[in-house]
Amino acid sequence: QQQVKQSPQSLIVQKGGISIINCAYENTAFDYFPWYQQFPGKGPALLIAIRPDVSEKKEGRFTISFNKSAKQFSLHIMDSQPGDSATYFCAGGGADGLTFGKGTHLIIQP
Amino acid sequence: DGGITQSPKYLFRKEGQNVTLSCEQNLNHDAMYWYRQDPGQGLRLIYYSQIVNDFQKGDIAEGYSVSREKKESFPLTVTSAQKNPTAFYLCASSRLRGLSFQETQYFGPGTRLLVL
Repeated sequence: QQQVKQSPQSLIVQKGGISIINCAYENTAFDYFPWYQQFPGKGPALLIAIRPDVSEKKEGRFTISFNKSAKQFSLHIMDSQPGDSATYFCAGGGADGLTFGKGTHLIIQP
Repeated sequence: DGGITQSPKYLFRKEGQNVTLSCEQNLNHDAMYWYRQDPGQGLRLIYYSQIVNDFQKGDIAEGYSVSREKKESFPLTVTSAQKNPTAFYLCASSRLRGLSFQETQYFGPGTRLLVL
Protein backbone atom coordinates (compact mmCIF):
# COMPACT_ATOMS: atom_id res chain seq x y z
CA GLN A 1 0.00 0.00 0.00
CA GLN A 2 1.28 3.41 -0.95
CA GLN A 3 1.77 5.40 2.25
CA VAL A 4 3.33 8.61 3.42
CA LYS A 5 4.05 8.62 7.14
CA GLN A 6 4.21 12.03 8.79
CA SER A 7 5.44 12.97 12.24
CA PRO A 8 4.87 14.43 14.72
CA GLN A 9 1.09 14.56 14.84
CA SER A 10 1.26 17.82 16.78
CA LEU A 11 4.04 20.26 17.56
CA ILE A 12 4.41 23.28 19.82
CA VAL A 13 7.27 25.70 19.13
CA GLN A 14 8.18 29.00 20.71
CA LYS A 15 8.14 32.12 18.56
CA GLY A 16 11.46 32.50 16.80
CA GLY A 17 12.28 28.81 17.06
CA ILE A 18 12.69 26.18 14.33
CA SER A 19 9.75 23.92 13.49
CA ILE A 20 10.65 20.55 11.96
CA ILE A 21 8.17 18.11 10.43
CA ASN A 22 9.25 14.79 9.00
CA CYS A 23 7.82 12.48 6.35
CA ALA A 24 8.76 9.05 5.03
CA TYR A 25 7.42 7.44 1.88
CA GLU A 26 7.36 3.95 0.43
CA ASN A 27 6.61 4.39 -3.25
CA THR A 28 9.85 4.89 -5.18
CA ALA A 29 7.82 5.99 -8.22
CA PHE A 30 6.94 9.28 -6.53
CA ASP A 31 8.51 12.16 -8.42
CA TYR A 32 7.11 15.17 -6.62
CA PHE A 33 7.02 16.04 -2.92
CA PRO A 34 4.92 19.06 -1.93
CA TRP A 35 4.11 20.53 1.44
CA TYR A 36 0.72 22.12 1.99
CA GLN A 37 -0.40 24.54 4.70
CA GLN A 38 -4.01 24.52 5.85
CA PHE A 39 -5.83 26.92 8.15
CA PRO A 40 -9.07 25.85 9.87
CA GLY A 41 -12.05 25.73 7.52
CA LYS A 42 -9.92 26.46 4.44
CA GLY A 43 -8.51 24.41 1.62
CA PRO A 44 -4.81 23.47 1.68
CA ALA A 45 -2.41 25.85 -0.04
CA LEU A 46 0.90 24.84 -1.58
CA LEU A 47 3.78 26.01 0.58
CA ILE A 48 6.87 24.56 -1.09
CA ALA A 49 7.68 21.50 -3.20
CA ILE A 50 10.72 19.51 -4.29
CA ARG A 51 11.61 16.98 -6.97
CA PRO A 52 13.87 14.01 -6.15
CA ASP A 53 16.81 15.29 -8.21
CA VAL A 54 17.73 17.87 -5.54
CA SER A 55 18.48 17.42 -1.84
CA GLU A 56 17.33 20.78 -0.54
CA LYS A 57 15.09 23.65 -1.54
CA LYS A 58 14.70 26.91 0.33
CA GLU A 59 12.02 29.58 -0.05
CA GLY A 60 12.21 32.34 2.52
CA ARG A 61 11.87 30.82 5.98
CA PHE A 62 10.77 27.44 4.60
CA THR A 63 13.23 24.68 3.62
CA ILE A 64 12.66 21.14 2.37
CA SER A 65 15.42 18.61 2.97
CA PHE A 66 15.19 15.46 0.85
CA ASN A 67 17.01 12.16 1.35
CA LYS A 68 16.28 9.89 -1.60
CA SER A 69 18.19 6.86 -0.30
CA ALA A 70 16.34 6.95 3.02
CA LYS A 71 13.04 7.83 1.34
CA GLN A 72 12.55 10.69 3.77
CA PHE A 73 11.95 14.40 3.51
CA SER A 74 11.35 17.15 6.02
CA LEU A 75 10.06 20.69 6.32
CA HIS A 76 11.99 23.23 8.37
CA ILE A 77 10.37 26.53 9.33
CA MET A 78 12.98 29.01 10.55
CA ASP A 79 12.11 31.90 12.87
CA SER A 80 8.64 30.44 13.42
CA GLN A 81 5.86 33.02 13.85
CA PRO A 82 2.37 32.79 15.39
CA GLY A 83 0.94 33.22 11.88
CA ASP A 84 2.59 29.91 10.95
CA SER A 85 0.19 28.11 13.30
CA ALA A 86 -1.69 25.74 11.00
CA THR A 87 -1.87 22.13 9.90
CA TYR A 88 0.87 21.00 7.53
CA PHE A 89 0.60 18.10 5.12
CA CYS A 90 3.37 16.42 3.20
CA ALA A 91 2.60 14.39 0.11
CA GLY A 92 4.18 12.17 -2.50
CA GLY A 93 3.15 12.63 -6.12
CA GLY A 94 2.97 10.06 -8.88
CA ALA A 95 0.95 9.27 -11.98
CA ASP A 96 -2.28 8.78 -10.01
CA GLY A 97 -2.10 12.00 -8.03
CA LEU A 98 -0.95 12.82 -4.53
CA THR A 99 -0.75 10.57 -1.47
CA PHE A 100 -0.90 12.66 1.69
CA GLY A 101 0.49 12.23 5.16
CA LYS A 102 -1.98 12.57 8.03
CA GLY A 103 -0.89 16.08 8.92
CA THR A 104 0.91 17.92 11.69
CA HIS A 105 -0.90 20.46 13.81
CA LEU A 106 1.66 23.20 14.49
CA ILE A 107 1.21 25.78 17.22
CA ILE A 108 3.64 28.69 17.57
CA GLN A 109 3.51 30.17 21.05
CA PRO A 110 4.13 33.94 21.27
CA ASP B 1 -10.12 36.19 -10.76
CA GLY B 2 -8.81 32.67 -11.40
CA GLY B 3 -9.26 29.78 -9.07
CA ILE B 4 -11.40 26.91 -7.88
CA THR B 5 -14.85 27.41 -6.45
CA GLN B 6 -16.82 24.90 -4.43
CA SER B 7 -20.43 25.15 -3.40
CA PRO B 8 -22.16 25.06 -1.10
CA LYS B 9 -19.88 25.83 1.83
CA TYR B 10 -22.07 23.71 4.12
CA LEU B 11 -24.41 20.92 3.06
CA PHE B 12 -26.82 18.86 5.11
CA ARG B 13 -27.87 15.38 4.09
CA LYS B 14 -30.86 13.43 5.30
CA GLU B 15 -30.90 9.66 5.68
CA GLY B 16 -31.11 7.91 2.30
CA GLN B 17 -30.60 11.09 0.31
CA ASN B 18 -28.13 11.69 -2.52
CA VAL B 19 -26.40 15.07 -2.49
CA THR B 20 -24.17 16.72 -5.09
CA LEU B 21 -21.18 18.94 -4.38
CA SER B 22 -20.14 21.41 -7.02
CA CYS B 23 -16.58 22.14 -8.16
CA GLU B 24 -15.70 24.63 -10.90
CA GLN B 25 -12.27 25.86 -12.04
CA ASN B 26 -11.25 28.58 -14.47
CA LEU B 27 -7.54 27.73 -14.45
CA ASN B 28 -7.77 25.78 -17.72
CA HIS B 29 -6.46 22.72 -15.89
CA ASP B 30 -6.95 19.30 -17.46
CA ALA B 31 -6.96 17.26 -14.26
CA MET B 32 -9.42 17.52 -11.39
CA TYR B 33 -9.60 15.64 -8.10
CA TRP B 34 -11.89 15.05 -5.15
CA TYR B 35 -10.55 14.41 -1.65
CA ARG B 36 -12.21 13.64 1.63
CA GLN B 37 -10.71 15.03 4.83
CA ASP B 38 -11.47 13.60 8.27
CA PRO B 39 -9.81 14.74 11.52
CA GLY B 40 -6.46 13.01 11.96
CA GLN B 41 -6.77 11.19 8.63
CA GLY B 42 -5.22 13.59 6.19
CA LEU B 43 -6.68 13.82 2.70
CA ARG B 44 -7.89 10.70 0.95
CA LEU B 45 -8.50 10.56 -2.80
CA ILE B 46 -12.06 9.74 -3.89
CA TYR B 47 -11.98 10.21 -7.68
CA TYR B 48 -9.87 11.97 -10.24
CA SER B 49 -10.22 12.91 -13.89
CA GLN B 50 -7.50 13.74 -16.39
CA ILE B 51 -9.75 14.41 -19.37
CA VAL B 52 -13.37 15.21 -20.15
CA ASN B 53 -15.70 12.20 -20.05
CA ASP B 54 -13.12 10.05 -18.26
CA PHE B 55 -12.42 9.53 -14.57
CA GLN B 56 -10.74 7.05 -12.28
CA LYS B 57 -11.50 5.72 -8.81
CA GLY B 58 -9.24 6.75 -5.98
CA ASP B 59 -8.67 5.02 -2.67
CA ILE B 60 -12.15 5.49 -1.20
CA ALA B 61 -14.58 5.67 -4.17
CA GLU B 62 -17.31 3.45 -2.70
CA GLY B 63 -20.52 5.39 -2.09
CA TYR B 64 -19.49 8.26 -4.38
CA SER B 65 -19.98 9.08 -8.06
CA VAL B 66 -18.64 11.78 -10.36
CA SER B 67 -19.06 13.14 -13.87
CA ARG B 68 -16.81 15.22 -16.12
CA GLU B 69 -18.93 16.61 -18.93
CA LYS B 70 -16.98 19.87 -19.12
CA LYS B 71 -13.31 20.66 -18.55
CA GLU B 72 -14.24 23.30 -15.98
CA SER B 73 -16.59 21.21 -13.86
CA PHE B 74 -16.24 18.05 -11.78
CA PRO B 75 -19.30 17.50 -9.53
CA LEU B 76 -19.25 14.85 -6.80
CA THR B 77 -22.39 12.99 -5.72
CA VAL B 78 -22.46 11.45 -2.27
CA THR B 79 -24.94 8.61 -2.56
CA SER B 80 -27.06 6.95 0.10
CA ALA B 81 -24.62 4.01 -0.08
CA GLN B 82 -22.02 6.14 1.70
CA LYS B 83 -22.84 5.33 5.32
CA ASN B 84 -20.47 7.77 6.95
CA PRO B 85 -20.51 10.88 4.75
CA THR B 86 -19.79 13.51 7.41
CA ALA B 87 -16.48 15.09 6.36
CA PHE B 88 -14.81 18.06 4.72
CA TYR B 89 -14.69 17.59 0.93
CA LEU B 90 -11.97 19.23 -1.11
CA CYS B 91 -11.75 19.64 -4.86
CA ALA B 92 -8.42 20.25 -6.57
CA SER B 93 -7.11 20.75 -10.09
CA SER B 94 -3.76 20.63 -11.83
CA ARG B 95 -2.14 20.84 -15.22
CA LEU B 96 -0.98 17.65 -16.85
CA ARG B 97 2.43 17.05 -18.30
CA GLY B 98 2.35 13.58 -19.76
CA LEU B 99 0.85 10.79 -17.69
CA SER B 100 3.57 10.33 -15.11
CA PHE B 101 4.69 13.83 -14.22
CA GLN B 102 2.89 15.29 -11.27
CA GLU B 103 2.05 18.97 -11.42
CA THR B 104 1.04 21.16 -8.50
CA GLN B 105 -2.52 20.65 -7.32
CA TYR B 106 -4.52 23.72 -6.33
CA PHE B 107 -7.36 23.31 -3.87
CA GLY B 108 -10.76 24.89 -3.53
CA PRO B 109 -12.16 26.20 -0.22
CA GLY B 110 -14.02 22.98 0.58
CA THR B 111 -17.56 21.87 1.39
CA ARG B 112 -18.46 20.58 4.82
CA LEU B 113 -21.09 17.84 4.65
CA LEU B 114 -23.14 17.07 7.73
CA VAL B 115 -25.76 14.38 8.26
CA LEU B 116 -29.09 15.30 9.85
